[in-house]
Amino acid sequence: GQQLNQSPQSMFIQEGEDVSMNCTSSSIFNTWLWYKQEPGEGPVLLIALYKAGELTSNGRLTAQFGITRKDSFLNISASIPSDVGIYFCAGARGGQGGKLIFGQGTELSVKP
Amino acid sequence: NAGVTQTPKFQVLKTGQSMTLQCAQDMNHNSMYWYRQDPGMGLRLIYYSASEGTTDKGEVPDGYNVSRLKKQNFLLGLESAAPSQTSVYFCASRSGGRWDGYTFGSGTRLTVV
Repeated sequence: GQQLNQSPQSMFIQEGEDVSMNCTSSSIFNTWLWYKQEPGEGPVLLIALYKAGELTSNGRLTAQFGITRKDSFLNISASIPSDVGIYFCAGARGGQGGKLIFGQGTELSVKP
Repeated sequence: NAGVTQTPKFQVLKTGQSMTLQCAQDMNHNSMYWYRQDPGMGLRLIYYSASEGTTDKGEVPDGYNVSRLKKQNFLLGLESAAPSQTSVYFCASRSGGRWDGYTFGSGTRLTVV
């Protein structure tokens, strides 16, 4: 089945560093979403992107919807220990009943 | 303020056994979804339901069945469990076309031995 290509798979960074991760697809999506998952929990929405080229921020998080509609990236600035978790991108197309296609996830570890 | 509630949280089955995973939402959402998550992979859609009484297959439906008899409940059944169905199962619900209202439960960890 189709999945989005998300990279990197894992990151080990020092507190205070900036983080960047991205997602690519061979096909177009109408909506890009970025989720965070903590151990034992379900994914929680961080940012939703609805238009090609859109740049949206949520606190220290910034995400962009690629102009080709086949990619998206997420940046986290000045990382802190509570940023630890798995970050997923997800794509959606219109008229498909809310089905999401997920990337494989980026596992983020932050050293204090 | 419960959101999406999944039961049980953990389950161990023997190969060939059957069981039903339960999902309940209290947000009056029309659409509900079942995903599975395997190590190193993102979530993959098993089945979804756009409204009470309707269900449709997702990406990986084989070996599963679902039931949406009430708007607030979406049940996932395994008729004859296989080790390949060892996974973490997530239920989600959504109100209309809103992506910010797409809410996941905390998951059911299923092991089939």
